[in-house]
Amino acid sequence: EAGVAQSPRYKIIEKRQSVAFWCNPISGHATLYWYQQILGQGPKLLIQFQNNGVVDDSQLPKDRFSAERLKGVDSTLKIQPAKLEDSAVYLCASSLSTIHEQYFGPGTRLTVT
Amino acid sequence: AQTVTQSQPEMSVQEAETVTLSCTYDTSESDYYLFWYKQPPSRQMILVIRQEAYKQQNATENRFSVNFQKAAKSFSLKISDSQLGDAAMYFCAYRSGGEGGSEKLVFGKGTKLTVNP
Repeated sequence: EAGVAQSPRYKIIEKRQSVAFWCNPISGHATLYWYQQILGQGPKLLIQFQNNGVVDDSQLPKDRFSAERLKGVDSTLKIQPAKLEDSAVYLCASSLSTIHEQYFGPGTRLTVT
Repeated sequence: AQTVTQSQPEMSVQEAETVTLSCTYDTSESDYYLFWYKQPPSRQMILVIRQEAYKQQNATENRFSVNFQKAAKSFSLKISDSQLGDAAMYFCAYRSGGEGGSEKLVFGKGTKLTVNP
């Protein structure tokens, strides 16, 4: 069974630029999560989708971050414009449903200079 | 809001020895789940072990076991017969279990485990 796929693995941008991350969850997984992991900290949930609907985006900085999950499968997370403090690893995870185990992707390491 | 605290930023252990990683949490809920995740360097996070709060018996998975003290809100991870491949960041995480609660994982800051040959 293929795992959660993410791309790109690494991205370096300058502040005020835009960036987008892509996630392909495990086939059949209805729930998809985006986490932000700042160096030295544990992951923090940004947004949770159930199929193509948003369940929780309470910690998503909506003035600059946006996310979508078209057709309830792949998802993209966008930052526009980026700030220095957005430097982090962005993790995507998926699960069969909200009560099942979450499987994590390899993450995208973003550096904002 | 639920919080998870890992008080040991770093730990080290000799190969084949036993090490215990500490975790405490704060919640007013009675129904929840606790997890330990392993994140090797530059590799993805994987689930090590999970514990349902309603279960009194401590979870075990091969060399990994937990000491779940519900009243003390403590959830430690014991790794027996440590191997070089156990070296990683270990994260303790909490998830609500009841209806109407958020299913998101709340993570601690992690403990970096080094295994010395």
